[in-house]
Amino acid sequence: NAGVTQTPKFQVLKTGQSMTLQCAQDMNHEYMSWYRQDPGMGLRLIHYSVGAGITDQGEVPNGYNVSRSTTEDFPLRLLSAAPSQTSVYFCASRTGRSYEQYFGPGTRLTVT
Amino acid sequence: KQEVTQIPAALSVPEGENLVLNCSFTDSAIYNLQWFRQDPGKGLTSLLLIQSSQREQTSGRLNASLDKSSGRSTLYIAASQPGDSATYLCAVMGRGSTLGRLYFGRGTQLTVWP
Repeated sequence: NAGVTQTPKFQVLKTGQSMTLQCAQDMNHEYMSWYRQDPGMGLRLIHYSVGAGITDQGEVPNGYNVSRSTTEDFPLRLLSAAPSQTSVYFCASRTGRSYEQYFGPGTRLTVT
Repeated sequence: KQEVTQIPAALSVPEGENLVLNCSFTDSAIYNLQWFRQDPGKGLTSLLLIQSSQREQTSGRLNASLDKSSGRSTLYIAASQPGDSATYLCAVMGRGSTLGRLYFGRGTQLTVWP
């Protein structure tokens, strides 16, 4: 199993540009989520999904959009990038039994 | 809202020491607690998961305990090694409407020197 994979690893955007961060998992996990990590702060939940076709907002959803058309993929879209969205983004999925969470390697995004 | 605090924020010890990292949380209605390790520029690696009904979990030189009623968890690392140098994150999963969501502390940055 590849586990949770994310692309790209690094990205630089200009203010106002849009882009999609990709996340995929091959563990057949129903629950997937997106977090952002900023210096001096704990990871914060952006959006999550409990299964294909079902998504919901987390703690900091503004400026981000998600959809879940398959169990494997959970892309995160930045609609109009802002410097405040400069961060490291982590995708995670969890098991349906113990609820243990598995994280991807992260995408480091800089918005200038 | 659940708040998770980790103390100390940073710790520097010589190789071979036994050490304790602390995590506290404000709402005891949790589903589980998970300890992660994060190396610089890398993702999170799960170390130990403790269900709310459990008191402790062990993996090799690591032992994590949970006292749900007092809102505390400790991660004990025995015989520390330079390879243990990393940031250690504590996260709790809520119950009910917040089931599945993780609430993270800011982490303890550990340096083990030879």
